[in-house]
Amino acid sequence: DIQMTQSPSSLSASVGGRVTITCRTSQSIGKYLNWYQQKVGKAPKLLIYEVSILQSGVPSRFSGSGSGTDFTLTISGLQPEDSATYYCQQSFSTPHLIFGGGTKVEI
Amino acid sequence: EVQLLESGGGLVQPGGSLRLSCAASGFTFSNYAMNWVRQAPGKGLEWVSGISGSGGGTYYADSVKGRLTISRDNSNNMLYLQINNLRAEDTALFYCAKKPGDYDSSGYYFGTDAFDLWGQGTMVTVSS
Repeated sequence: DIQMTQSPSSLSASVGGRVTITCRTSQSIGKYLNWYQQKVGKAPKLLIYEVSILQSGVPSRFSGSGSGTDFTLTISGLQPEDSATYYCQQSFSTPHLIFGGGTKVEI
Repeated sequence: EVQLLESGGGLVQPGGSLRLSCAASGFTFSNYAMNWVRQAPGKGLEWVSGISGSGGGTYYADSVKGRLTISRDNSNNMLYLQINNLRAEDTALFYCAKKPGDYDSSGYYFGTDAFDLWGQGTMVTVSS
């Protein structure tokens, strides 16, 4: 099974700042990496799919990069509404889509 | 409006059974693969089951295989999850989630492999 390691588990940042969240997989997954945002009490929301493609309606301050086993989600120009938990997810082992452990971001 | 609405959760004793439902609206339900994802209180997300648009292909996480049965009724735009022999560790918020593509008859998935639409979840609590 592919293991996923997401880091850090939590972070705090300021409005207007920039954060980077890392997701590492135990084997190469090519481009099959997605990112989700989950606000408290809400369902997850797809932000980015296939490493770097923004889902429709997602602000351009969100960006994704990486390949193989190392991937990052970057949020630039942080806004208060970006406070949430962020999850990476690999779809290489579809239909078994595995999530990372999550990163809680406090603004 | 495009939406998913889960129901059927509740408090169940260990060893009991439950059937969760998810009503879809606003899109051609039979064209898309559907899934169930659960989240234990204060924990992360765990995919548990998926089904092709036709219902001919079903998939389960190893952690739940044998106790869960996923099904769908395309004539009524409904997705179901039957959970048997419930355990305390099944206590979670269960979400239904749609994929923007589907599986062909050989199980090959066509489309972006992610969950692009989620319901609000239904809570399952297993306790005596």
